[in-house]
Amino acid sequence: DGGITQSPKYLFRKEGQNVTLSCEQNLNHDAMYWYRQDPGQGLRLIYYSQIVNDFQKGDIAEGYSVSREKKESFPLTVTSAQKNPTAFYLCASRTPPRDRGTNNEQFFGPGTRLTVL
Amino acid sequence: AQSVTQLDSQVPVFEEAPVELRCNYSSSVSVYLFWYVQYPNQGLQLLLKYLSGSTLVKGINGFEAEFNKSQTSFHLRKPSVHISDTAEYFCAVSEWDDYKLSFGAGTTVTVRA
Repeated sequence: DGGITQSPKYLFRKEGQNVTLSCEQNLNHDAMYWYRQDPGQGLRLIYYSQIVNDFQKGDIAEGYSVSREKKESFPLTVTSAQKNPTAFYLCASRTPPRDRGTNNEQFFGPGTRLTVL
Repeated sequence: AQSVTQLDSQVPVFEEAPVELRCNYSSSVSVYLFWYVQYPNQGLQLLLKYLSGSTLVKGINGFEAEFNKSQTSFHLRKPSVHISDTAEYFCAVSEWDDYKLSFGAGTTVTVRA
């Protein structure tokens, strides 16, 4: 089955530590995204990547870093510089907006809940 | 840049009653509109989308939405809800050639027997 996987489902981090969240997709999508979700605030875009070896900052990129070495993978690192990292993190992917036959929708993974102890 | 406003943060409703979730957006260009549903501790699942054509869009699980360009709205409706419809619902908008989606803050629907 095609889809997006995120691991781990739950992650605990001590203050001052960097942690990396995994996102893998087998949908053959070029574009991938990372969102942060906090109660009552909807989804906020952290980083997105339109193609391999390229990525752009979203609205709340400070304290986060990403890489896009493979089409299937878009890991997110939450660094110690992120002041309030406890949140639910969602990864998504889609086809490029101008592709013929594109559905224009983003497909989401199941999420990772990060808690800072 | 576009923005999305979901007018109700919480909507309690009795089983088998109708429900309407309101969504307004602001954008100066043509847009695509989406409604997603999120069950607790899960990712988002697409309910329906408006890309072009008929302004009344039907989605999964008996939901439908109507695009109103003059009022810049995309309200979601279901004529008879079930307990299993208890979830959070997000309205989202993107401009036609934009990679990014803008999300509303979400509406929590709680269905009671």
